[in-house]
Order: sequence, then C-alpha cells, then structure tokens
Amino acid sequence: AQTVTQSQPEMSVQEAETVTLSCTYDTSESDYYLFWYKQPPSRQMILVIRQEAYKQQNATENRFSVNFQKAAKSFSLKISDSQLGDAAMYFCAYLGLYSGGSNYKLTFGKGTLLTVNP
Amino acid sequence: GAVVSQHPSRVICKSGTSVKIECRSLDFQATTMFWYRQFPKQSLMLMATSNEGSKATYEQGVEKDKFLINHASLTLSTLTVTSAHPEDSSFYICSATFGGLGSSYNSPLHFGNGTRLTVT
Repeated sequence: AQTVTQSQPEMSVQEAETVTLSCTYDTSESDYYLFWYKQPPSRQMILVIRQEAYKQQNATENRFSVNFQKAAKSFSLKISDSQLGDAAMYFCAYLGLYSGGSNYKLTFGKGTLLTVNP
Repeated sequence: GAVVSQHPSRVICKSGTSVKIECRSLDFQATTMFWYRQFPKQSLMLMATSNEGSKATYEQGVEKDKFLINHASLTLSTLTVTSAHPEDSSFYICSATFGGLGSSYNSPLHFGNGTRLTVT
C-alpha cells in the first residue's frame, strides 16, 4: 500500500536560517503528484509546493524548494531564510492511484511541527 | 478568497443525533472531493473519496452507514455523521478538485477550512 512517511515529528530552526523537512513515500506507480502543505494553528491547509512525478526538475516557490528523488522515493522540503510566520505543522502528501485500484487518493504523512526561533 | 466553503465551522450536537457538514466549491466544478478526519496533533486521515454522480469510495475501517457522503452536484458534497457519539468528535476537512485525475492532471486542490464537531 502507498504510504507517506515523515520521520521528523518536530524540527526547529533559527530565524533566517535554512531547514530541510524529510518525506519518503512508497508507491509502485509511475505517475503521481507530491505536495507539501502547511497547517497553522487555525488548521487551514495551505499549499506550499507541488511536484509532478514526471517532471525531473525540482519545484521551487520563492523560499521553498524541494529535492525530489524519484528513484529513492524521497521528497524533502527546504525552507530558506526561515521566518517566524513559517512556524506550523507541515504535511507531505501523495496523490495517485493505489495498487490494484482505479481511484486516485490524496494521503498525508504524519506531519512535522516546525518551530522558528527568533 | 476561499474557493471551497465548508459549513458549519463548529457544531455541537447531542449523542444520537445526526450532523450534516457541507463542502461547496464556489467558482469551479468539483469533480472529485476527499473527506478527512483529523484528531488533535495528528495527521489527516482519508475517510472517503467521492466523484460527482457516483457512490463514494470509503477507506478501510470507515463505516459507510455512519458517515454518509453525497456528491450529487458538481458544486456540493455533504458528509452526514449519523447517530453521532462522543468518539465521533473530531475535526473534519474536505478537499475538492476538478478535472480528471490522471497523467495530465494539472488542477489545484482546494481545502475547506474544516468543521470542528463536538458530540456531547
């Protein structure tokens, strides 16, 4: 079964520094999509970045970038120049077909709580 | 502004009653909707996937008779928690997208702001 694993329950970073959040996933599919979402205390889900599996180029969005390693099934998020407003729970998510199924599913890792220290 | 409106944001109900949560897409046709449940400090657990006009596909362990999902139109999906019990208290979130999910999928996924359900 497809799973999304975030091995870091909590991470902390100093303001203006860089931090990398890890995510690995398991799939036998070749076409799928990966996301990083941010969830502040308000619980609103905010899209940080998106990566299509068929694209070799790593996605970037301003201070946010990913290191997508398809063969290793790894999808880490790098936050540069961390800001206090970056503090939140970060979820890695996989959108794709599941083995033997015909329906796409969007499933999430357990999350990484990021603290930004001033 | 919000493109997916989820209502109500908070609801308190008595044990044994039913509660309906609405997820409405405001400016696009939501061909697929995902429903999630989130316990405090935990991840989003997928409950079911619904495609407009079709029966919802429930995840293993989710009681389809207890969590009724209806996706009768391209702009509205509802989750009804029937005969609610205190253990059903949780945060429920919907996510909607349009376009066929496939190799050419390029549509955004929009989330509602969630519904906090408390069953007393």
